[in-house]
Amino acid sequence: GAVVSQHPSWVICKSGTSVKIECRSLDFQATTMFWYRQFPKQSLMLMATSNEGSKATYEQGVEKDKFLINHASLTLSTLTVTSAHPEDSSFYICSARPPLSYNEQFFGPGTRLTVL
Amino acid sequence: GNSVTQMEGPVTLSEEAFLTINCTYTATGYPSLFWYVQYPGEGLQLLLKATKADDKGSNKGFEATYRKETTSFHLEKGSVQVSDSAVYFCAHRDTGRRALTFGSGTRLQVQP
Repeated sequence: GAVVSQHPSWVICKSGTSVKIECRSLDFQATTMFWYRQFPKQSLMLMATSNEGSKATYEQGVEKDKFLINHASLTLSTLTVTSAHPEDSSFYICSARPPLSYNEQFFGPGTRLTVL
Repeated sequence: GNSVTQMEGPVTLSEEAFLTINCTYTATGYPSLFWYVQYPGEGLQLLLKATKADDKGSNKGFEATYRKETTSFHLEKGSVQVSDSAVYFCAHRDTGRRALTFGSGTRLQVQP
């Protein structure tokens, strides 16, 4: 299957700093990418849908100014957690959907963010 | 609303045992149903899917049947192996939505 990478795989930062997480589709172009957040022993919660060349669509309750999403190319979407706080500590997972694919999504391995 | 409920884990089985992981869902339309598997240190991988009622998805010895009348999509395998140890997520995509709704995941531990 297709490969999606995330970088970094883990990051530790101080409260108040910003952290950028990259999601790349390595062998296909993705017009749509999704960002999920996963708390320990809980489900993946959709945060936003990232559309190449346009603004992301955020789920209800997700702060746009807190979680900045940029999908500048067909193979890269970035999630920036701005002014991070300890409650932002979580596992962030992206997925990418190839064009013309309705049922197929490929997931990255996730990024664990710890805010001190 | 949309939700997916799956049995809590961990599920611990001996090798060659029969596996069932229950999954039920609520949806407003006619969803597609999925099982994803996450092996340690890896991303979620699609295990199987079913797109309409009575469809059976199957892969690697795993099966799940789309039961509209009971809104269920239970995962089964007749004989598990140690290599099946992973976290299994049930998910659906409701009509008109692009994103998936996931269950909370069930950790399976298979002992030799």
